[in-house]
Amino acid sequence: EAGVTQFPSHSVIEKGQTVTLRCDPISGHDNLYWYRRVMGKEIKFLLHFVKESKQDESGMPNNRFLAERTGGTYSTLKVQPAELEDSGVYFCASSRRGDEQFFGPGTRLTVL
Amino acid sequence: QQQVKQSPQSLIVQKGGISIINCAYENTAFDYFPWYQQFPGKGPALLIAIRPDVSEKKEGRFTISFNKSAKQFSLHIMDSQPGDSATYFCAARVADTGRRALTFGSGTRLQVQP
Repeated sequence: EAGVTQFPSHSVIEKGQTVTLRCDPISGHDNLYWYRRVMGKEIKFLLHFVKESKQDESGMPNNRFLAERTGGTYSTLKVQPAELEDSGVYFCASSRRGDEQFFGPGTRLTVL
Repeated sequence: QQQVKQSPQSLIVQKGGISIINCAYENTAFDYFPWYQQFPGKGPALLIAIRPDVSEKKEGRFTISFNKSAKQFSLHIMDSQPGDSATYFCAARVADTGRRALTFGSGTRLQVQP
């Protein structure tokens, strides 16, 4: 069984630019989560999809972040415009129901 | 405000020794406490988890001790091996069937010296 995949693995952009991160969950997993770890700090929850619906988006920092999961398969997280404080590692995770969450390798975003 | 506080930030242990990582929480609504292990370049992977109805859970060399009254839980790695060198995160989740967000500690970088 293939694991959670994320693309790109690294992204370096200028402040004010737009970046789109992609996550492909494990096949059959209806639940998809986005998390972020800012340098050396805790991993923070951003949002949770159940299929294509946003179940919980209480962790989204502001309206510069837009997450979508059209068709209930892969998900994208767009940051527009990016700010310096958006730098960090963005993790995606998926789960079949509400049980164990399987994490992807993350996308390291650097905003200069 | 960090809801799950983890210590130490880093830990160096000799091979064969015991590694101990501690976490404390404030939210009494938490009812699921997993530990994740992360190797460089990989995502966190579930190592072991506990619910508050038990005080200890053991899986191989890994043990979680849970103290509900003190709102603390800890990970013990017995007979630590160089292959255990990784970053460890404690986490917690509220008892709400709709909310599945994990609240993480800040992580502990463990180095096991041969």
